[in-house]
Order: sequence, then C-alpha cells, then structure tokens
Amino acid sequence: IAGITQAPTSQILAAGRRMTLRCTQDMRHNAMYWYRQDLGLGLRLIHYSNTAGTTGKGEVPDGYSVSRANTDDFPLTLASAVPSQTSVYFCASSEGETGELFFGEGSRLTVL
Amino acid sequence: AQSVSQHNHHVILSEAASLELGCNYSYGGTVNLFWYVQYPGQHLQLLLKYFSGDPLVKGIKGFEAEFIKSKFSFNLRKPSVQWSDTAEYFCAEEVFSGGYNKLIFGAGTRLAVHP
Repeated sequence: IAGITQAPTSQILAAGRRMTLRCTQDMRHNAMYWYRQDLGLGLRLIHYSNTAGTTGKGEVPDGYSVSRANTDDFPLTLASAVPSQTSVYFCASSEGETGELFFGEGSRLTVL
Repeated sequence: AQSVSQHNHHVILSEAASLELGCNYSYGGTVNLFWYVQYPGQHLQLLLKYFSGDPLVKGIKGFEAEFIKSKFSFNLRKPSVQWSDTAEYFCAEEVFSGGYNKLIFGAGTRLAVHP
C-alpha cells in the first residue's frame, strides 16, 4: 500500500538517550517534513527536505537533526532527548507543487 | 510572521446539528488554504483545499469551506454532523518562507458529536 511508514509507533525513553524516528515513503515525493503535534499548539514544523540531499530548519528545530540520503527515507534524530520533546511526531511528504501533505501514522514519544 | 487562528478549541454538538469552525489566516497575498481532519488514533488527512477560483470549496464527507479574502477567513461548515465526524480539525495556510513552501497549522479544534 502506497504511503508513509513511520517507526516506532510508540517509544518511551530516558532523558539523555539518543533516539531516531524512521520515516519511509514510496510515493516518490520530493518534499518531506517532520512535524510535532502538541495539545493546544497544533502541528509545528521541525525540519524539512525539498529534495534528496538537502534539508532545512523549520519552526522548532533545536534538539533535532535530519538527513535525506535518498528520496524515500527521512529519519529524525534526537541526539540527547529531553522531557520537553515528549510529543507525537508526524512525518509527511508532498509532491511540492500542490501543497497537499500526506501524513504517516505518527510516532508517540515519551521522554522521562 | 504568518499565523493561522482557530477560534474554537473544543466544540460539542448533537447529531444533525450544523457545524461552523472558524479559521483566520494572516498572509495578505495569494494564499493556498487547507482543512485537515484527524480522526481518533489516526493520522491527518486532507478534507478540502482552496487554491483559486470559486471561493466556496467542497470537500469529502459533505464538508465545505468558504474563502472570504476581505475577512482573511476560511471557515469550515457542514449542514448536519454525524457521530462519525468526531475528530480534530486543523486549518492550514501554505506560505513561502526561507526558500521553501510550508504549511502553517492552526492549533486545532476538537469536535465531539453526541448521538
């Protein structure tokens, strides 16, 4: 089934640990995004990538890094997790011209 | 900075009631606007979008939205809600900033429909 796959779906980890959230799409979309969703704040953009080999910072990039080695994969890394990074993380992609985003199922991360 | 405001954070309705969710955007130029829906436990999916043309946009599941440029508004409406419409609704505006297109989302409105 075409779409976006995120892993893990849920994770609890201790503060200070390193964590990578995986995102893979099979729609051959050029643009990919990572958002975090927090109650009362909606979705905020963490990082984006317009095409393979390029990345950029969104609204709330601090504490996160991304890479885009190929079109399909866009992992998000927390180098040293902190409790304020407890959130639901959504990966998304778009064709880049229509503005419509296609979202993954989300990854619920709890940092203790 | 561009922003999207959704006025109602929580809305509770009975089935068959009419729905209108408010959305205001801040960008004064040409805008692309969206409504996304997130059903409980699921990811966001597109409900409808406006790029240009007819300001009354029809989406899936009987939803529609009206773009009123003079009011910077893009309110979502449905004449008769169903229990299955219980979800969180997000208004979004596409902006071009820092060399890339991105969607700015509102904080969301949680809709609960009671039978």
